[in-house]
Amino acid sequence: SQQGEEDPQALSIQEGENATMNCSYKTSINNLQWYRQNSGRGLVHLILIRSNEREKHSGRLRVTLDTSKKSSSLLITASRAADTASYFCAFSYGNNRLAFGKGNQVVVIP
Amino acid sequence: DTAVSQTPKYLVTQMGNDKSIKCEQNLGHDTMYWYKQDSKKFLKIMFSYNNKELIINETVPNRFSPKSPDKAHLNLHINSLELGDSAVYFCASSQDIGSGNTIYFGEGSWLTVV
Repeated sequence: SQQGEEDPQALSIQEGENATMNCSYKTSINNLQWYRQNSGRGLVHLILIRSNEREKHSGRLRVTLDTSKKSSSLLITASRAADTASYFCAFSYGNNRLAFGKGNQVVVIP
Repeated sequence: DTAVSQTPKYLVTQMGNDKSIKCEQNLGHDTMYWYKQDSKKFLKIMFSYNNKELIINETVPNRFSPKSPDKAHLNLHINSLELGDSAVYFCASSQDIGSGNTIYFGEGSWLTVV
């Protein structure tokens, strides 16, 4: 299976703290994306990092990619209650194949 | 305007029934998908269509039959529903099948088979 794994799978933090999630995969990838899923909703794209990139920023989000370790991390700085959601990595491999990780549940306590 | 819309949002039905979920996207995208999310939130692709043509068909039972009348619509028909089919089904679309494209998801259809 090419299934990605996120670590940790559940995270509870206080508002204002940083939240870090990791994702690992097993194959060579073309790029890796992170998505957010609010409870009862569809997934929303957050950020994409290409295989030749090591770090990318978007607002309070910071994504890193280490292709040698086949892993990526998503950092949310200065978390807010509205950041409470599940976060999924999705990696593209092979001929436009895309696989999603199992997801991290993040709870930000006001 | 909802970019990817799917109906119904909730569906409760008995084992053995046949049901359909409809999906439409107004983004002008060429590629559409059906994903299944189980109770553990594991998201798995079922089908992918590009310009009405099937390009990905994962190991899904043939009780599941997608139909794409045009590139803006991708419906999912399920025959002889089983308890294990209970899940959330997400329709999605992307500009094309390129690997760097953002995937836009619908709000999901909660299917419960009793």
